[in-house]
Amino acid sequence: DAGVTQSPTHLIKTRGQQVTLRCSPISGHKSVSWYQQVLGQGPQFIFQYYEKEERGRGNFPDRFSARQFPNYSSELNVNALLLGDSALYLCASSDGLDTQYFGPGTRLTVL
Amino acid sequence: DQQVKQNSPSLSVQEGRISILNCDYTNSMFDYFLWYKKYPAEGPTFLISISSIKDKNEDGRFTVFLNKSAKHLSLHIVPSQPGDSAVYFCAASAVYTGGFKTIFGAGTRLFVKA
Repeated sequence: DAGVTQSPTHLIKTRGQQVTLRCSPISGHKSVSWYQQVLGQGPQFIFQYYEKEERGRGNFPDRFSARQFPNYSSELNVNALLLGDSALYLCASSDGLDTQYFGPGTRLTVL
Repeated sequence: DQQVKQNSPSLSVQEGRISILNCDYTNSMFDYFLWYKKYPAEGPTFLISISSIKDKNEDGRFTVFLNKSAKHLSLHIVPSQPGDSAVYFCAASAVYTGGFKTIFGAGTRLFVKA
């Protein structure tokens, strides 16, 4: 049974560019959450989606947006990239309220 | 504003002994507390959770204790094994209508020496 998958694995962008990260949840999971993890810190909550609707948002600027598709996969978009957006972006899926299953992440480097 | 704090960046334990990882939180509204383990180049892996209405949950070698009055939880690993060496994240989830929000601590790196 496939776990959470994310693409791409690594990405290099320059300041000002836009990026789209993709996530496929575990089959049957309807909730997807996105996190940003910078070196030395824990994952920081960005968004939670359930049944294609945004259900939660962390303290991130409007440059960050996301959406969830009918098949429950999700995309995270970041516009006008800054150097500080360089991080590991993690996607997690869940079928309940207490346990999330994480993907391997996408490593974004902004030059 | 750190709502979930892991004050020990690292912990070193001898194989076979007990590992105790600690976590403090500030928000009384959290509904669940969770521990995740993370190896390099992998996403966090769920380990064990506890509801805010309980004070202990056990799963094999892993036990989580919750002290609500002190806003403190701990993860006990007994006996510790070299394969347990990883970064451990404490997390707290607040559930609201239609969704939830999970806050993670900064992590504690556990070294289990053979």
